[in-house]
Amino acid sequence: RKEVEQDPGPFNVPEGATVAFNCTYSNSASQSFFWYRQDCRKEPKLLMSVYSSGNEDGRFTAQLNRASQYISLLIRDSKLSDSATYLCVVIRNSGNTPLVFGKGTRLSVIA
Amino acid sequence: DAGVTQSPTHLIKTRGQQVTLRCSPKSGHDTVSWYQQALGQGPQFIFQYYEEEERQRGNFPDRFSGHQFPNYSSELNVNALLLGDSALYLCASSISKGTGALYEQYFGPGTRLTVT
Repeated sequence: RKEVEQDPGPFNVPEGATVAFNCTYSNSASQSFFWYRQDCRKEPKLLMSVYSSGNEDGRFTAQLNRASQYISLLIRDSKLSDSATYLCVVIRNSGNTPLVFGKGTRLSVIA
Repeated sequence: DAGVTQSPTHLIKTRGQQVTLRCSPKSGHDTVSWYQQALGQGPQFIFQYYEEEERQRGNFPDRFSGHQFPNYSSELNVNALLLGDSALYLCASSISKGTGALYEQYFGPGTRLTVT
């Protein structure tokens, strides 16, 4: 079983739609969680950190459920510019440990 | 403030050859991590350098080696290239403090390596 699993999609949604991505992780000792965004043929960029209390940044909301080892990302009022691959990222321990990436979920927002 | 830079942007090599990729971290960063991203996959951790030493290593063979220089820049070397080494190689920089608190990793644009 992969350490971080995501539905690869693609998710094709119309502009203005709400879309949700899920991610599960297998290592219960994992400590930190993030969503990265990667545009086609570009580098990943941090979208937002994920906290147990949930966090919101404009149209984006991230949630963490430690009991179920589950992370989610909700995008409201989708824009064409949201089209990208969304990577779920886990850090196993504190300290300078590497990022563990899921395969990513592709989103295409259609006019 | 320059971000993370990598060179070259693209590279084509033949099986069995050797390649060196370069990375300059973001200003003020002292830690460099290398990742390999195959098509359709998420990035996979290769290794991390701090204070000119390899601090952590992922599940990659010894054909993958690296170096960090006193100015914090880094190189990734791959020997005896295989077709399966074709991928986007990403460098990420971050800051380590004291016992090694992890801060956000900033990625460079990557080097796309094609092995024929």
